[in-house]
Amino acid sequence: GQQLNQSPQSMFIQEGEDVSMNCTSSSIFNTWLWYKQDPGEGPVLLIALYKAGELTSNGRLTAQFGITRKDSFLNISASIPSDVGIYFCAGQTETSGSRLTFGEGTQLTVNP
Amino acid sequence: DTAVSQTPKYLVTQMGNDKSIKCEQNLGHDTMYWYKQDSKKFLKIMFSYNNKELIINETVPNRFSPKSPDKAHLNLHINSLELGDSAVYFCASSQVLSGGYTFGSGTRLTVV
Repeated sequence: GQQLNQSPQSMFIQEGEDVSMNCTSSSIFNTWLWYKQDPGEGPVLLIALYKAGELTSNGRLTAQFGITRKDSFLNISASIPSDVGIYFCAGQTETSGSRLTFGEGTQLTVNP
Repeated sequence: DTAVSQTPKYLVTQMGNDKSIKCEQNLGHDTMYWYKQDSKKFLKIMFSYNNKELIINETVPNRFSPKSPDKAHLNLHINSLELGDSAVYFCASSQVLSGGYTFGSGTRLTVV
């Protein structure tokens, strides 16, 4: 099946810094999604991307759907302590139907 | 109102027991899922139901049996629990043609 390689696995940053994480795949995806998971909770959708080249923002978060359709990145600007959590990329291919494949996650720690 | 609710939140049980986890969504979505999150936080799909019909059945031991009495409910029954079944199980729902899933808050299963 499709695999998503997400990096970095973990990040330790100071409050106020910008953060960037990305996902790559050997397969072409037609949907890219970014989720955040807080401890003890389920993942929550942050941003959904549906077109190659699409750049979408949600507050301090910005995500892009790569032109090759095989990658996506998520940027967080001016990080704050509540940004702490695990960020997952996820995607769907043309043949996967509603099935979402998830990346391995990026654990973000923000030091005040 | 909680969009996707699953019960129980925590489940501690002995090896060999049979247990069930229940999930309900009030979003009017037509597709529901079970995902397993292991200790490394990797999210892997187990099952998917669309309008009560099984559409995804990954390589999961047949001790795991999903049941969908209607499109708002998807339960997971596990027979003869094993130590390796310990994980967090997430229920999720979506509309088939939309990429985003809404997740429940998870059931942490511990088999002792």
